[in-house]
Amino acid sequence: QSVLTQPPSVSATPGQNVTISCSGRSSNIGNNYVSWYQQFPGTAPQLLIYENDKRPSVIPDRFSGSKSGTSATLGITGLQTGDEADYYCGTWDSSLSAGVFGGGTKLTVL
Amino acid sequence: EVQLVESGGGLVQPGGSLRLSCAASGLIFSDFGMSWVRQFPGKGLEWVANIKKDGSEKYYVGSVKGRFTISRDNAKNSLYLQMNNLRAEDTALYYCARGAKSFAYWGLGTLVTVSS
Repeated sequence: QSVLTQPPSVSATPGQNVTISCSGRSSNIGNNYVSWYQQFPGTAPQLLIYENDKRPSVIPDRFSGSKSGTSATLGITGLQTGDEADYYCGTWDSSLSAGVFGGGTKLTVL
Repeated sequence: EVQLVESGGGLVQPGGSLRLSCAASGLIFSDFGMSWVRQFPGKGLEWVANIKKDGSEKYYVGSVKGRFTISRDNAKNSLYLQMNNLRAEDTALYYCARGAKSFAYWGLGTLVTVSS
């Protein structure tokens, strides 16, 4: 059971927009920055979003992040087949003094 | 270009030990906190441990406290994870990552298998 809660899967068709939620509590999301990672099968994760809503320069602006209270959301606009991957949220938990991840969400682009 | 290269994984019996290493290049290693993150076979990510840039503070996930030790050698641009009293449930792909709380760069990982 992961500390952060994500839906196991989401699906959409090319061109559509999709959001992936990440739910936590005050000790983690509520008081710490959230990051999002994309992972393709057999490869290492890649940072998509850091500090809740910032994108590394190599990440296209189709990807966005937001946070409200104890929840965070990853948004992807104009879905492409190449976006099909696993997505993880992560943050620090101040009560545990440990990093925590969500269980991951498998995005299927039909 | 930032590169993180893990090594030291392998097959070990329960109760055994391994020392993982991560060689960093393309960055000023001493400027960054570093972490180990593992991924269980076919499953999600688990943060394992981190260490501040000067090595002054270290944190661990509860399941490895007292068994794993993270360390670094800034002169050698290297990060380490000493793993003792290994259990079957430690079987995973272990990644080295730049950052203490957010991970901008990752290595390719080194596989640790704990089995008799």
